[in-house]
Amino acid sequence: SAVISQKPSRDICQRGTSLTIQCQVDSQVTMMFWYRQQPGQSLTLIATANQGSEATYESGFVIDKFPISRPNLTFSTLTVSNMSPEDSSIYLCSVEVHNSYEQYFGPGTRLTVT
Amino acid sequence: KQEVTQIPAALSVPEGENLVLNCSFTDSAIYNLQWFRQDPGKGLTSLLLIQSSQREQTSGRLNASLDKSSGRSTLYIAASQPGDSATYLCAGQGGKLIFGQGTELSVKP
Repeated sequence: SAVISQKPSRDICQRGTSLTIQCQVDSQVTMMFWYRQQPGQSLTLIATANQGSEATYESGFVIDKFPISRPNLTFSTLTVSNMSPEDSSIYLCSVEVHNSYEQYFGPGTRLTVT
Repeated sequence: KQEVTQIPAALSVPEGENLVLNCSFTDSAIYNLQWFRQDPGKGLTSLLLIQSSQREQTSGRLNASLDKSSGRSTLYIAASQPGDSATYLCAGQGGKLIFGQGTELSVKP
């Protein structure tokens, strides 16, 4: 398994500003992912964070809005840029433990944009 | 388009009942199936992973089955307890995880 922490756990932000969310894993992992869970909805994959190269974004998500960094095998950040109230969601980091196919999730960051 | 559907959307049962949550998927490319639990305002806790070569997995009072030919998975919870109250999500893995909408379970004392 893997233990994942996220910072901040929650934040309230003004529209037009940006927020960077951090994800830290207690062991080296190959695959790290960022998800969004809008109010009352299930999870949607934003992107796969690739170590040493640009993230791979899913349809409907772009790098200018959700820039991602992955400087090493235990850490990643997701920035939500130029926020609007529609960005109010829970953002979750997850990892796949090497060769196990099982994904583990962080506690999430609850973002409210006013 | 890959889709994962969960039925029912909500379920309320008295404590001690056995119950079954259902998950169906449309894409045969889904090869693994993972069940999660989510408590209100929290992240996801992995419950069980069933790989394509397996038919079922068990952990304590939980048993999950996978039938790829019919595109279905079930999560069986035995002797339910109020602490089991949460939203249960299934996710099909076919290159990436595709989540269902979840079943919100309430177990009444």
